Amino acid sequence: DQQVKQNSPSLSVQEGRISILNCDYTNSMFDYFLWYKKYPAEGPTFLISISSIKDKNEDGRFTVFLNKSAKHLSLHIVPSQPGDSAVYFCAAARAGNMLTFGGGTRLMVKP
Amino acid sequence: KAGVTQTPRYLIKTRGQQVTLSCSPISGHRSVSWYQQTPGQGLQFLFEYFSETQRNKGNFPGRFSGRQFSNSRSEMNVSTLELGDSALYLCASSIFRGSGTDTQYFGPGTRLTVL
Repeated sequence: DQQVKQNSPSLSVQEGRISILNCDYTNSMFDYFLWYKKYPAEGPTFLISISSIKDKNEDGRFTVFLNKSAKHLSLHIVPSQPGDSAVYFCAAARAGNMLTFGGGTRLMVKP
Repeated sequence: KAGVTQTPRYLIKTRGQQVTLSCSPISGHRSVSWYQQTPGQGLQFLFEYFSETQRNKGNFPGRFSGRQFSNSRSEMNVSTLELGDSALYLCASSIFRGSGTDTQYFGPGTRLTVL
């Protein structure tokens, strides 16, 4: 039973445009969400997080939106850069440090 | 500040053997978590340690175990290795605020291959 799903295995975007990565979850007890990016042969790098008491959090080019009623969150990257090309994982937690990860979305930003 | 370090980076073992992986957290971080990444199952939580005690455990058999030392460094052990244990094992550290969820910072991982 996949509690966190990233339904798009890949996404291709032109440099300078917006990248939107989506994530759905089924467990309504999740109260904290994180996005990580991962390059091959490296560990995931933390990008941004959001608590369930908020619906939006921004950090530079990255914005995460949370829609609790739809059990959906999205990561917006504006503007997208070629260096953003990586696999992006969303993760969810329920009052603790046990993260449940989605399957990842490979983002390719074309120059 | 130095990041999370994991040793070794690569390891090859044969079925039936056991293996120990090591993780040094970011200085000042007291919680260490371990994850397994495989192509089929993705990233899955193994366990979390804080103050030398296991706080949470994922859905893995008892062959997977871990421990944490007083300096917060952690080791995980897999006994009686199976082919399906081939994976990237990731360690993550966090400050541990005591409530809610901490941001976890990951190491580069140990790539284990079981032949």
